[in-house]
Amino acid sequence: EVQLVESGGGLVQPGGSLRLSCAASGFTFNTDWMHWVRQAPGKGLVWVSRINSDGSSTNYADSVKGRFTISRDNAKNTLYLQMNSLRAEDTAVYYCARAVAVSARAFDIWGQGTMVTVSS
Amino acid sequence: DIQMTQSPSSLSASVGDRVTITCRASQTISNYLNWYQQKPGKAPKLLMYAASTLQSGVPSRFSGSGSGTDFTLTISNLQPEDFGTYCCQQTYSTPRTFGQGTKLEIK
Repeated sequence: EVQLVESGGGLVQPGGSLRLSCAASGFTFNTDWMHWVRQAPGKGLVWVSRINSDGSSTNYADSVKGRFTISRDNAKNTLYLQMNSLRAEDTAVYYCARAVAVSARAFDIWGQGTMVTVSS
Repeated sequence: DIQMTQSPSSLSASVGDRVTITCRASQTISNYLNWYQQKPGKAPKLLMYAASTLQSGVPSRFSGSGSGTDFTLTISNLQPEDFGTYCCQQTYSTPRTFGQGTKLEIK
């Protein structure tokens, strides 16, 4: 079965850190670009970051640049998001998603999401 | 950054109706426009990519059109399971911006 499973969310104090993981299965992980997208409670989808297939190229939303780091371990079929200096406004469900070049780079596989709450 | 603007922000329609949602990009994005459906508490689901190509498994009552800056998603013969929030996304450039969403309620 083709799937992405996120983990690592939770409650963290402002200024704290979390590392999210996204385990991939059922497809050839090391050929695909991967993304993180977040959704604050009751709000819309916001793109966070992306990484190319071998991990050599990354991009970030301005709101997280310098605080978040995306990475991947293709041997473990796992995507990561290291989140430092967390703020209240980072509170959201975080989704990982696969982008497929042949499908206009659309996000065709999504994880179930993991909730991150930043609060004292 | 490319801004994506959807309209309407919400709508209510009856089973069997035809509904149209529009999405406008702040600059040309060719056909790098995708549509997602999201239900409460669930991850988004890809419905349409490249503006008008139906994702595998998505019913043919969904259709998309447009190119450049203006795009539409049409649902014909609306079904009860079509409730949810619909969101457009451009993948022409980074950041991959989303529209604010259109909440569809079934009367």
